[in-house]
Amino acid sequence: NAGVTQTPKFRVLKTGQSMTLLCAQDMNHEYMYWYRQDPGMGLRLIHYSVGEGTTAKGEVPDGYNVSRLKKQNFLLGLESAAPSQTSVYFCASSVAVGETQYFGPGTRLLVL
Amino acid sequence: GESVGLHLPTLSVQEGDNSIINCAYSNSASDYFIWYKQESGKGPQFIIDIRSNMDKRQGQRVTVLLNKTVKHLSLQIAATQPGDSAVYFCAEKPPGGATNKLIFGTGTLLAVQP
Repeated sequence: NAGVTQTPKFRVLKTGQSMTLLCAQDMNHEYMYWYRQDPGMGLRLIHYSVGEGTTAKGEVPDGYNVSRLKKQNFLLGLESAAPSQTSVYFCASSVAVGETQYFGPGTRLLVL
Repeated sequence: GESVGLHLPTLSVQEGDNSIINCAYSNSASDYFIWYKQESGKGPQFIIDIRSNMDKRQGQRVTVLLNKTVKHLSLQIAATQPGDSAVYFCAEKPPGGATNKLIFGTGTLLAVQP
């Protein structure tokens, strides 16, 4: 099993450009999450999904959209990138409520 | 302990010594706790977890202690090795709901001196 994978690993965007980050998991987990990690702060939840076809807002959803068309994939979209979205983005998944979350390797995004 | 500002607290230990990393959690009703290890440039890696009905759990070279009275969690690493150098952070799961949301600490940097 590859676990949780993320593409791309690194990306540079100009302000106003758009992009999609892809997360894939092969563990048949129901729950998937997108986080951002910034220096000096804990992981902050952007959006999450409790199953295929469902999405919900997390702690910092503004400027991001998500889709979960297939159970194994969770996409994070930036419609119009801003420098404040420069961060490391992590995807995670868990089998159920109350179970641990397993993380992908991260995507480093720089918005100029 | 947890970080303040941009600088993570750092624990420096000699190779072979035991390490103790602490975490103060926020919600007295949280019922599930996880320790993660994050090496530079990588994603968080699950180390060990504990549920609130326990006060101690052991894994391979690691032990987690839970003190619900003072909302404190600790991770003990026995015979620390250079490969243990990383940022360690705890996560707690508040009770209720179907979302499995976790609250993450900011972490402690463990530096192992050879």
